[in-house]
Amino acid sequence: AQSVTQPDIHITVSEGASLELRCNYSYGATPYLFWYVQSPGQGLQLLLKYFSGDTLVQGIKGFEAEFKRSQSSFNLRKPSVHWSDAAEYFCAVGEVGDYKLSFGAGTTVTVRA
Amino acid sequence: DTAVSQTPKYLVTQMGNDKSIKCEQNLGHDTMYWYKQDSKKFLKIMFSYNNKELIINETVPNRFSPKSPDKAHLNLHINSLELGDSAVYFCASSQGQGAGQPQHFGDGTRLSIL
Repeated sequence: AQSVTQPDIHITVSEGASLELRCNYSYGATPYLFWYVQSPGQGLQLLLKYFSGDTLVQGIKGFEAEFKRSQSSFNLRKPSVHWSDAAEYFCAVGEVGDYKLSFGAGTTVTVRA
Repeated sequence: DTAVSQTPKYLVTQMGNDKSIKCEQNLGHDTMYWYKQDSKKFLKIMFSYNNKELIINETVPNRFSPKSPDKAHLNLHINSLELGDSAVYFCASSQGQGAGQPQHFGDGTRLSIL
């Protein structure tokens, strides 16, 4: 079974600074890869997904993620964060041919003025 | 228009009680899910239904029983509630049942057991 690791539990970033959130997975083939964001008191919202093709994918809210097969990583980036980006971010992985997603433990992002 | 709606939003009850959480989606999706998010924000799949048929049934106590009357609704009934059941329960839906289908989440039901 695949596993998903988000090494950073908590990241604090200044408004306007860049942000990078790390995600590593263990799986033999290229899995389905997702990033979700959870704002306080709300459900998860899909930011972007990768299945195949161009390894740099663009998402909503100015986020992008890069798939690196050699590193089994799918890191999320944003060039300039806004205070509204303060939230919990989850990386999720799905196996081809399976029904379910495995979620990482999440990274809490705090944005300081 | 709320795409995936759960009721109630908050549920406070005592140990040993039985309670239900309802979920409805108006996206026309054919697959629905229940997740449990614990106090450390860890999210774990519990159940999934595709066109009213159970397709995911994780290792969950049999006190938890899902029911899908139609493909737009998925309810969760919990018997004999225990302290460890305190969590946020999320309903989600997707078009199609594969792991590659993006899921749409409700805002969650926060269950607190006294």
